[in-house]
Amino acid sequence: GEDVEQSLFLSVREGDSSVINCTYTDSSSTYLYWYKQEPGAGLQLLTYIFSNMDMKQDQRLTVLLNKKDKHLSLRIADTQTGDSAIYFCAEKTSGTYKYIFGTGTRLKVLA
Amino acid sequence: NAGVTQTPKFQVLKTGQSMTLQCAQDMNHNSMYWYRQDPGMGLRLIYYSASEGTTDKGEVPNGYNVSRLNKREFSLRLESAAPSQTSVYFCASRSPGDHSYEQYFGPGTRLTVT
Repeated sequence: GEDVEQSLFLSVREGDSSVINCTYTDSSSTYLYWYKQEPGAGLQLLTYIFSNMDMKQDQRLTVLLNKKDKHLSLRIADTQTGDSAIYFCAEKTSGTYKYIFGTGTRLKVLA
Repeated sequence: NAGVTQTPKFQVLKTGQSMTLQCAQDMNHNSMYWYRQDPGMGLRLIYYSASEGTTDKGEVPNGYNVSRLNKREFSLRLESAAPSQTSVYFCASRSPGDHSYEQYFGPGTRLTVT
């Protein structure tokens, strides 16, 4: 079945770039998302990319999609302490209601 | 707009007790979802409602029932709570007109079953 995998933890120093990686198995995925979850809160959409795109940039965020390897990454430039959170990768296939979420990557930013 | 609201925020139940988790959205969204979040397992879909009057099972529906009371409200019921249902429960909604198919999440209900 479909699966989305992420590493569980990432630690970076303030001001460095963070790269969070995700792999997925469903080759028919058409929408891929990055959500952010702060402590005690729900998930909030950070950015998304259509499967016909290779890259999307939005201020400090850069999303790279390698469809051949089914690999998605989120780069956060100039990481700040406020970026400390759990980041979820998710996929959705066109024509379905179902979203598949990864396990989440906990990003810790060290001052 | 309040977005997606959930009540209660926290709940402790004894095994065998029942309760209903409430969810409401004021964004006029058609689709609504219930997920559970467990450590190391991401979010798993419990039930889904494409529109008022319809519900469908997700990945982990056993032990739960849902009601789509109207377009705004989608409730999740635990008839006989079990310790395995200790989790954080999130409700979400989605607008069909949104080309990104973004889901909007509530703040969650933290449930402990002893």
